[in-house]
Amino acid sequence: ILNVEQSPQSLHVQEGDSTNFTCSFPSSNFYALHWYRWETAKSPEALFVMTLNGDEKKKGRISATLNTKEGYSYLYIKGSQPEDSATYLCAFCYSGGGADGLTFGKGTHLIIQP
Amino acid sequence: EAQVTQNPRYLITVTGKKLTVTCSQNMNHEYMSWYRQDPGLGLRQIYYSMNVEVTDKGDVPEGYKVSRKEKRNFPLILESPSPNQTSLYFCASSPTLAYGYTFGSGTRLTVV
Repeated sequence: ILNVEQSPQSLHVQEGDSTNFTCSFPSSNFYALHWYRWETAKSPEALFVMTLNGDEKKKGRISATLNTKEGYSYLYIKGSQPEDSATYLCAFCYSGGGADGLTFGKGTHLIIQP
Repeated sequence: EAQVTQNPRYLITVTGKKLTVTCSQNMNHEYMSWYRQDPGLGLRQIYYSMNVEVTDKGDVPEGYKVSRKEKRNFPLILESPSPNQTSLYFCASSPTLAYGYTFGSGTRLTVV
């Protein structure tokens, strides 16, 4: 079982502040790193998929970076809004002779306080 | 509308009574997967399938079976459910793992 760690586990941020959190994954046999946003009572929704070392992706106020050599990815939210409150999941896929599925971290639960 | 459809959304059953949770996608995705979500444990993969008739175990396959006879359908079968299989289950699909998953709306299963 692969180890995908996310930190912090939960985070309270004031509306308007920027924030970031981390996903750590094995640095060998990398295939892809996914980020998902999961709102309460809904299903996870894909934010980004990154496959190359140094990848940076952006969607509105949310962006992500990837370092496959050291095995980490950061998710950044600029100017947090109450609608950003959700659990953010990262998921790692390794290249093991055919992609063997995504292993998810336990998520960072983000609460934006007005 | 492109979607992954799971049924039922909620199910309460008794120990030992066989059940099937259906999953269907209309996006012609090759890759499909089942996960369970438990408090404090995150999403854990049960089984996945890379194409028709190609399935493999994930991290927690015990007590579950799957089949992939057609590209669009990937049912999850519990032959003899037990209370420790009480959980929230998600089906997901993608063209390949270089693309994000599309998740179904989830099935909340309670085994008493």
